[in-house]
Amino acid sequence: AQSVAQPEDQVNVAEGNPLTVKCTYSVSGNPYLFWYVQYPNRGLQFLLKYITGDNLVKGSYGFEAEFNKSQTSFHLKKPSALVSDSALYFCAVRDNIRTGNNRKLIWGLGTSLAVNP
Amino acid sequence: DAGVIQSPRHEVTEMGQEVTLRCKPISGHDYLFWYRQTMMRGLELLIYFNNNVPIDDSGMPEDRFSAKMPNASFSTLKIQPSEPRDSAVYFCASSPRDSQETQYFGPGTRLLVL
Repeated sequence: AQSVAQPEDQVNVAEGNPLTVKCTYSVSGNPYLFWYVQYPNRGLQFLLKYITGDNLVKGSYGFEAEFNKSQTSFHLKKPSALVSDSALYFCAVRDNIRTGNNRKLIWGLGTSLAVNP
Repeated sequence: DAGVIQSPRHEVTEMGQEVTLRCKPISGHDYLFWYRQTMMRGLELLIYFNNNVPIDDSGMPEDRFSAKMPNASFSTLKIQPSEPRDSAVYFCASSPRDSQETQYFGPGTRLLVL
C-alpha cells in the first residue's frame, strides 16, 4: 500500500541550530514528493517538491530536502532554524496507483516543529 | 491574486442542522480539492474536481456529505444533517493543470457542531 510516514510527532530545536524533519514513503513507480507548512490558524503552504533531477531540492524560506531513493526518504532540512519556523510540517507523495488525470496526494500526519529562542 | 477564498471562516451550529461551506479557487486553476483536518485523523482528502467534474469522492465520509462545483469559480461542501463528529477544519485547495500536483490552500473553515 502507498503511504507516507513522519515518525516524529514533534521536533524541538534551538534557534540557530540546524533542523531536520523526517519523512519516509512507500509508493509504486517514481515518487513525486512534497513538503508543506501550516502556521497556526492558517491553510497549508507549499514549501518544495521533488519530481526528478537533483536529489537536493531547495524551497521557500531557506528550507531544503534531500531525496534518498535507497532509503525511500525525503527529509526536510534547514541549516539555521528561526523561531518563526515553528509550525506544523506535512510531507506528501502523489498517489501513483491511479492514472489519467489523478491529482491525489497521500499525506503524512504532520510534525510539529518548535524552535526555542 | 487573492488566493483561494473560503467562507465562512468559522461556523458554529447545532446537531441536525445543514451546513454549507463555500470555496472560490484561484482563477485559472483546473483542480479543486476539499480536505478535512482533525487532531485524530490528520488531513483527509474528501473529494476533488477536475474542470468542475468530480474525479475522486472516495474520501467523503457518508451520504450526509455532498459537494458540488457548478462552475469554475465556485464550489460548495454541504453536510446535512450535521453531527458533533463533523467538527473539524475544512480546507479547500486548488491546483493549475501544469503545476505537477502543487496545491494552493485556502485559510479553512473551522466548524463546530454542538
